[in-house]
Amino acid sequence: GNSVTQMEGPVTLSEEAFLTINCTYTATGYPSLFWYVQYPGEGLQLLLKATKADDKGSNKGFEATYRKETTSFHLEKGSVQVSDSAVYFCALSDRDTGFQKLVFGTGTRLLVSP
Amino acid sequence: NAGVMQNPRHLVRRRGQEARLRCSPMKGHSHVYWYRQLPEEGLKFMVYLQKENIIDESGMPKERFSAEFPKEGPSILRIQQVVRGDSAAYFCASSQGQGQETQYFGPGTRLLVL
Repeated sequence: GNSVTQMEGPVTLSEEAFLTINCTYTATGYPSLFWYVQYPGEGLQLLLKATKADDKGSNKGFEATYRKETTSFHLEKGSVQVSDSAVYFCALSDRDTGFQKLVFGTGTRLLVSP
Repeated sequence: NAGVMQNPRHLVRRRGQEARLRCSPMKGHSHVYWYRQLPEEGLKFMVYLQKENIIDESGMPKERFSAEFPKEGPSILRIQQVVRGDSAAYFCASSQGQGQETQYFGPGTRLLVL
């Protein structure tokens, strides 16, 4: 079945540090890949997405590249801010399920200190 | 353009009571999805509905849980005879259509069963 594996958190960084959150996936078809962010007490917000191999999704300084050969979609940001502190979820949807279900990783908590 | 609305935001129930969670999709969206997030875990798909139809309920527990999306009004997730293990955050998402359409999430309902 489809699954998403994320690096365990928390990830603790100082402001302006470089961020990488690893995400790998297993899928039977050709999935679309997503990063969602959840701020404390709130719902999930779509951060970025990529729908085919070698696509790069980007938003608010974050980016991730769909790597089919390594089945990965790692999230990166060159310089994090305190306001980036949140939980980040990697997710996929797959043609086999009509792209109707999102399958989520367990989330990675990011803590950025001043 | 209002986003996905969920109410109540917080719900406290005693064991054996019923919980009703409501979700109004974004304007123009006719597809609704419900997910459950247990503490410190990722979101798990529960059910996918279109107006007046349940399309996929493969993630719904077989007993006590039901969902509907009537022609008029919000989608309802109903949990009968709640137990402590039902305590979780329940998120609704909506999309404009099926296929590779992005799902937009509401703020969630946090259910606490005493």
